[in-house]
Amino acid sequence: SYELTQALSVSVALGQTARITCVGNNIGNKNVHWYQQKPGQAPVLVIYRDTNRPSGIPERFSGSNSGNAATLTITRAQVGDEGDYYCQVWGSSSWVFGGGTKLTVL
Amino acid sequence: EVRLLQSGGDLVQPGGSLRLSCAASGFTFHSYAMSWVRQSPGKGLEWVSGISPRGDSTFYADSVKGRFTISRDNSKNTVYLQMKSLRPEDTAVYFCARHRTTVSTSKDHWGQGTLVTVSS
Repeated sequence: SYELTQALSVSVALGQTARITCVGNNIGNKNVHWYQQKPGQAPVLVIYRDTNRPSGIPERFSGSNSGNAATLTITRAQVGDEGDYYCQVWGSSSWVFGGGTKLTVL
Repeated sequence: EVRLLQSGGDLVQPGGSLRLSCAASGFTFHSYAMSWVRQSPGKGLEWVSGISPRGDSTFYADSVKGRFTISRDNSKNTVYLQMKSLRPEDTAVYFCARHRTTVSTSKDHWGQGTLVTVSS
């Protein structure tokens, strides 16, 4: 079955750029979606189909996808961006989530 | 405003059954695929099951295939997850989610989650 690998945690200084990576075999050939989840809350879609932002998501959030890695980039990181971030792809008639990355803003 | 209101979570014994419901409002329910996603305590997200807009196609994770059944009633704007032969490892918060269109698209709205605890 298809697997997605994410770093357990990423730290970024306030106002700097955070990059969260999702690694999968030839993931560049798939549509990658990214979700943010804060403690005790439901996930929120922040990027869909690699690079698209839903309405209401700040322009500071962007995505890319090529080769074996997809990346979620958060510029000018804020304390409110802290949380867990999950990548997701549609595989063979099933969805696969990455293990999640905990973002800490220092 | 899109709203997904979940109900049905409970404490159940191993081997027992439970049905979760997710009542939708604020959008044309029969035009969207729906899914269930769960999260075990302290763990990551796990997709459980999905259903097409008309209910004619269903999809399951291997971990629940043969035990869980997803269904929908478009006249009631509600999607269900019938869970049978429950195991302790099914203990989780279960979220329902709306897809942007078909089951293979991203999930743009989520319910508040409901806790299922499987324990004797």
